[in-house]
Amino acid sequence: AQTVTQSQPEMSVQEAETVTLSCTYDTSENNYYLFWYKQPPSRQMILVIRQEAYKQQNATENRFSVNFQKAAKSFSLKISDSQLGDTAMYFCAFMKLRNANTGNQFYFGTGTSLTVIP
Amino acid sequence: GAGVSQSPSNKVTEKGKDVELRCDPISGHTALYWYRQSLGQGLEFLIYFQGNSAPDKSGLPSDRFSAERTGGSVSTLTIQRTQQEDSAVYLCASSSGYQETQYFGPGTRLLVL
Repeated sequence: AQTVTQSQPEMSVQEAETVTLSCTYDTSENNYYLFWYKQPPSRQMILVIRQEAYKQQNATENRFSVNFQKAAKSFSLKISDSQLGDTAMYFCAFMKLRNANTGNQFYFGTGTSLTVIP
Repeated sequence: GAGVSQSPSNKVTEKGKDVELRCDPISGHTALYWYRQSLGQGLEFLIYFQGNSAPDKSGLPSDRFSAERTGGSVSTLTIQRTQQEDSAVYLCASSSGYQETQYFGPGTRLLVL
């Protein structure tokens, strides 16, 4: 079974500073996808960044970047120049690729609540 | 374009009543997923639809839960004889194929009294 662990239930960061959210996962799969989703108080789950396991290069989306360590099964999210709008719950997710009949299954961590302090 | 929509946003019901939750996926998306998010928890997979194939119901917690997807588009999640432990946010997601990123709706917050 796949498990995703986010060991930081809550974090805070000063506006404009950098923060790193940690995520580890356990799998025997070799090919999979990893995601970070953001869920603000509005409840809308928003995709932040996606990483394919076969890619060695770390994914980057503007102020968001990941440190993907496949051997260590680690997938941390770095938020640079934190903004007040970054305040949200952040979920790390592992997607195991399955066949077209059974679809993918997402395995989510329990989330990290990030507060950006003005 | 329009994202995934869900209705109602919030639903309060009494224990033992049936509820129906609706999901409108992104137009053209063939895959549709239902998840349950309990307070302070991650997401729990419930059911998956892909095109006209038989759904993957492996995540449904009991036979009180069922889902349909009519015409390959709109989906309805039905919970019969609701229990207090069914209280949660129910999230729907869609994707353009089984290997594609899932895009989530805003969820329906269900409270069973």
